[in-house]
Amino acid sequence: DTGVSQDPRHKITKRGQNVTFRCDPISEHNRLYWYRQTLGQGPEFLTYFQNEAQLEKSRLLSDRFSAERPKGSFSTLEIQRTEQGDSAMYLCASSTPSTGWEKLFFGSGTQLSVL
Amino acid sequence: GQNIDQPTEMTATEGAIVQINCTYQTSGFNGLFWYQQHAGEAPTFLSYNVLDGLEEKGRFSSFLSRSKGYSYLLLKELQMKDSASYLCAVPSGGSYIPTFGRGTSLIVHP
Repeated sequence: DTGVSQDPRHKITKRGQNVTFRCDPISEHNRLYWYRQTLGQGPEFLTYFQNEAQLEKSRLLSDRFSAERPKGSFSTLEIQRTEQGDSAMYLCASSTPSTGWEKLFFGSGTQLSVL
Repeated sequence: GQNIDQPTEMTATEGAIVQINCTYQTSGFNGLFWYQQHAGEAPTFLSYNVLDGLEEKGRFSSFLSRSKGYSYLLLKELQMKDSASYLCAVPSGGSYIPTFGRGTSLIVHP
């Protein structure tokens, strides 16, 4: 068990560019979640997957955001035409019934800076 | 939706006891979580309460009152390493996906 892994750790991009982040959950964790966190705030839910199915997506999530989990293992989060307001820490988490769906294991996050 | 309220910041002395309160409003209750987050790090799970009462885990305890929409996290024998943000989270109605409050920044000083 190597924990939830996210790549890259940091990403600096110019406004208008597309970015993609990757998350590798803990092996055999069925559920995978994406959150976004800005300084001084708690994590904000973006979307979650059960295996390869995207079951819920935040109503506040812009159409510029898309996430995939093609084989039910790793996931990618893409942001198209980035805006300065997208600057945040993007956190991935996973969970499994054996430790309780409610216990989320978070990765260290990808810090996005949009210039 | 949810409304989660917790103090922004608290300070305490090493060795003391501190209680971090959380009040919430939600449609459809599926439990309440507490997470700890050190600066620049990922949140880590502390506790999950679904029934009323106190649950103790070593130096940390968590209390829930569903009728009052209230929870607290109790930290005993504070250590410097307990300086962190403590996040209260409640799932949105009908799901188990946590919605987080803003967090309480706890500063432990010598």
